[in-house]
Amino acid sequence: GPKVLQIPSHQIIDMGQMVTLNCDPVSNHLYFYWYKQILGQQMEFLVNFYNGKVMEKSKLFKDQFSVERPDGSYFTLKIQPTALEDSAVYFCASSYRAETLYFGSGTRLTVL
Amino acid sequence: GQQVQQSPTSLVLQEGENAELQCNFSTSLNSMQWFYQRPGGSLISVFYNPSGTKQSGRLTSTTVIKERRSSLHISSSQITDSGTYLCAMERGSNNRIFFGDGTQLVVKP
Repeated sequence: GPKVLQIPSHQIIDMGQMVTLNCDPVSNHLYFYWYKQILGQQMEFLVNFYNGKVMEKSKLFKDQFSVERPDGSYFTLKIQPTALEDSAVYFCASSYRAETLYFGSGTRLTVL
Repeated sequence: GQQVQQSPTSLVLQEGENAELQCNFSTSLNSMQWFYQRPGGSLISVFYNPSGTKQSGRLTSTTVIKERRSSLHISSSQITDSGTYLCAMERGSNNRIFFGDGTQLVVKP
């Protein structure tokens, strides 16, 4: 099936450092999402896009977060500076017509 | 408040038993989906089911959108069905997708 690629799969950094998470959605998908999941807890919405433009950011989307689409294909989620509570698995997902959502395998972020 | 409520929170079955998972939504919604997640794993779409009944093998989903509910039925459960089943709803003009807390299913031999 369609593949959403996320890199890196794991990232360990010291508190206060910057981290960039990358996601390459399915090529013809128009809708794109970033989610945060703390181990064993709910999938929490961060931000979504339609056709490359931000549609909505949640309250979880702190000022330290930023999202970009550098070359019009893949997306980045940058956290600067990182905090301990940012430790989680970050998932991206895409869909063609806001229907079936395809998820990447996630980036497990550990902030020390 | 919680917009997507799933029940039960957890379920333990003997292999071969059936399971019925429920999802209720506190607001109007455009559509909903069921996902499967293994511990530490990614989410795999099980059904995109905005309304009506859909079946795939041993899995059946029924959504009654006017009543803001959906169910996922697993028949003749297998050990490999173990994991967390999440339901999610899409609502609003910004197509935001909200998730429930999930039902943790354990199927024992």
